[in-house]
Amino acid sequence: AQSVTQLDSHVSVSEGTPVLLRCNYSSSYSPSLFWYVQHPNKGLQLLLKYTSAATLVKGINGFEAEFKKSETSFHLTKPSAHMSDAAEYFCVVTLYSGNTPLVFGKGTRLSVIA
Amino acid sequence: DTGVSQNPRHKITKRGQNVTFRCDPISEHNRLYWYRQTLGQGPEFLTYFQNEAQLEKSRLLSDRFSAERPKGSFSTLEIQRTEQGDSAMYLCASSYTGDGGEKLFFGSGTQLSVL
Repeated sequence: AQSVTQLDSHVSVSEGTPVLLRCNYSSSYSPSLFWYVQHPNKGLQLLLKYTSAATLVKGINGFEAEFKKSETSFHLTKPSAHMSDAAEYFCVVTLYSGNTPLVFGKGTRLSVIA
Repeated sequence: DTGVSQNPRHKITKRGQNVTFRCDPISEHNRLYWYRQTLGQGPEFLTYFQNEAQLEKSRLLSDRFSAERPKGSFSTLEIQRTEQGDSAMYLCASSYTGDGGEKLFFGSGTQLSVL
């Protein structure tokens, strides 16, 4: 079965420093992978997606993620954290090849300290 | 309407009662999904529709749960004989297969509390 493991339940960074949120996936085929963000009292929002094109994927708000098949990883990064980045981040894989539904990781809560 | 709308936002009910939630997707989206999210966990897939057809149901969806999308537009999720373990945030999402169908737009959810 397809699954994702988010290696940190909570990450805390200072404003202006880099962000790294780690995700490993397990899939029996070439997966589609996503990162979603959930701000308090707001709906989940797609940050970026990987669908077997370029391995380095750029998303919204300065985030990007790199697909590494050899490491089965899809880590999310941002060069400089902003206070507004504080939220819950979910790494996501498709349940079926090339199709939804989506399987979510347990999430990583990002805190940004002023 | 530029987003997925869910009603009600909050529902408090007593154990054993029936509850129904409604989801209005983005108008041109033909796929509609239901997910459930509990505290500290990621959303878990429950079921999804393409137009009015229910294409997949998770084993999480017990016999007490039923979802419909009668005209391929809005959807309802009903829980019969609620249990305390049903307390969760119920999320609805929609997507359009014409652009690949993989970009899901989520509503803000219905928070269910079963007392």
